[in-house]
Amino acid sequence: QVQLVESGGAVVQPGRSLRLSCAASGFTFSNYNMHWVRQAPGKGLECVAIISKDGSSKGYADSVKGRFTISRDNSKNTVSLQMNSLRAEDTAKYLCAKDSPNGSVDFWGQGTLVTVSS
Amino acid sequence: DVVMTQSPLSLPVTLGQPASISCRSSQSLVFSDGGTYLNWFQQRPGQSPRRLIYEVSNRDSGVPDRFSGSGSGTDFTLKISRVEAEDVGVYYCMQGTHWPYAFGQGTKLEIK
Repeated sequence: QVQLVESGGAVVQPGRSLRLSCAASGFTFSNYNMHWVRQAPGKGLECVAIISKDGSSKGYADSVKGRFTISRDNSKNTVSLQMNSLRAEDTAKYLCAKDSPNGSVDFWGQGTLVTVSS
Repeated sequence: DVVMTQSPLSLPVTLGQPASISCRSSQSLVFSDGGTYLNWFQQRPGQSPRRLIYEVSNRDSGVPDRFSGSGSGTDFTLKISRVEAEDVGVYYCMQGTHWPYAFGQGTKLEIK
């Protein structure tokens, strides 16, 4: 069965960096685009970044463009999110999600919590 | 980025009554292949989202047939024919035509 397990969440100070990872299993990882989605406490869902199957194409929400970088390692079935210049408004649970054909998402991880606070 | 706008944001419904949620996109969601990639998700408290509908009107396996999706271009609707207690949660539309994908603000359905 599909499993997505996020790690790397922490409490960090504004302006610092953090790297999140997502370990995928139960499907052929290199055949699917992957996403990072975040949800601030009590708020809605925001697609933060997307990466293509081979890692050659990436897309970012305007709110994180220039600060966050998504990457993947198909040999290790992992997708990562490098977050730089963190702000208080980046505080959220970050979920890894598997793309499905026809512009959708069909599996989610449980998320890892990032708190940006001094 | 594409902006998705849902209404209403709060939806109190009596058990057994119908419910409807609207979703509008700032750009057409028709992809170059002719497909329209509009999805609906349900999120119950403390849980990850669960997909209900993909490509406007296709129900996922296990989703009750009281849920239906419709629409085209930039205007879409999720309907619940008869609301049950288990339907309480937040409903999101999400477009998958343009990168990055984008969600609506969410509609909180509660029982009146």
